[in-house]
Amino acid sequence: DTEVTQTPKHLVMGMTNKKSLKCEQHMGHRAMYWYKQKAKKPPELMFVYSYEKLSINESVPSRFSPECPNSSLLNLHLHALQPEDSALYLCASSQGGIQETQYFGPGTRLLVL
Amino acid sequence: LAKTTQPISMDSYEGQEVNITCSHNNIATNDYITWYQQFPSQGPRFIIQGYKTKVTNEVASLFIPADRKSSTLSLPRVSLSDTAVYYCLVVAPGYSTLTFGKGTMLLVSP
Repeated sequence: DTEVTQTPKHLVMGMTNKKSLKCEQHMGHRAMYWYKQKAKKPPELMFVYSYEKLSINESVPSRFSPECPNSSLLNLHLHALQPEDSALYLCASSQGGIQETQYFGPGTRLLVL
Repeated sequence: LAKTTQPISMDSYEGQEVNITCSHNNIATNDYITWYQQFPSQGPRFIIQGYKTKVTNEVASLFIPADRKSSTLSLPRVSLSDTAVYYCLVVAPGYSTLTFGKGTMLLVSP
């Protein structure tokens, strides 16, 4: 199974809402990632979890809060987002370090109103 | 962190070979070169990775000259379904971050 799944596929939320994005992989990968991708732009790395510990936080605003409950799951909690946070949020996983092949999920399309 | 430069877009026809070159002049000794493909509204998909000379898999080849300051992704006999954005990345073990380049939009026409 080389699949990374993400839910929901689409999400519309107001600026006062709290929501969560979920990501799951069953490949036994030890690293998981969150990326943000705006239209016609490359993915931008947000967070990296390695062995369930946050290892990289790319100076992301605190309204984005990652969580790794176990080695297969990765969440991104959203609170008080701004319209400019609307984007495609991608989850990925890799066997080990950041240089290894990353397997991406299909993403969650987020719209903040 | 090595910066990468790629053409913004390329056009091709079905059945042709397509070569996309990525420039990474300040590549470091331990850096690997990796290429991903992305279709609209989907996550990127790994294509190929190499360190030096030539790497080939079932979908592409990667050519890296001796100075490693550039690399060329070669797609043999492209089809319409190869229309996508192709990203070149340079990354090494132990890096604290990873940056996608701006990508090359490949359009394959009939």
